[in-house]
Amino acid sequence: DAEITQSPRHKITETGRQVTLACHQTWNHNNMFWYRQDLGHGLRLIHYSYGVQDTNKGEVSDGYSVSRSNTEDLPLTLESAASSQTSVYFCASTCGVWEYYGYTFGSGTRLTVV
Amino acid sequence: AQSVTQLDSQVPVFEEAPVELRCNYSSSVSVYLFWYVQYPNQGLQLLLKYLSGSTLVKGINGFEAEFNKSQTSFHLRKPSVHISDTAEYFCAVRSSGGYQKVTFGTGTKLQVIP
Repeated sequence: DAEITQSPRHKITETGRQVTLACHQTWNHNNMFWYRQDLGHGLRLIHYSYGVQDTNKGEVSDGYSVSRSNTEDLPLTLESAASSQTSVYFCASTCGVWEYYGYTFGSGTRLTVV
Repeated sequence: AQSVTQLDSQVPVFEEAPVELRCNYSSSVSVYLFWYVQYPNQGLQLLLKYLSGSTLVKGINGFEAEFNKSQTSFHLRKPSVHISDTAEYFCAVRSSGGYQKVTFGTGTKLQVIP
């Protein structure tokens, strides 16, 4: 079955370190997204991609970067981790006609920056 | 700009009782509306969606929602809840036309009491 996989599920890192969160989907979806979930804020969009070599900034992109070298993967990199980036991160994907199908979400990565 | 408001952060309800989770949105153009459910330690799953047509939308697990354009609301209802419905519910809105982003509400935690 097609799926969207995030790794690791849990990560503890130190302030200032570079961290990369993986997202891999086998749906062959063109559109991929990274969100962070924080209490009281719901889900906020970090970065998104509509296809290979395409990346775009979301509403909370500062301190984060993504790259899209193939259809399946959209890794999220925290350039220099800060305590404010402690959060749960969700990757999502959708096909072109996304309004009919909504998003498919991964199970999330819980990141703690100490 | 679009926005979503979920006024209730937590809703406790007894098992087999009815429940309504409230969602209000704002947008200057036509919208698509969604409800997602998040079970503990999982990603979000699409519960139901309104794209056009009938204002009463039925989703999975016995949930339904009614689109009210005049009141800019999209409340989620279930006539009789089960323990298994304990989860967090997110309302989301996407403006119609082109590549538009999805905005999520801050979520409502439904706690079903035995």
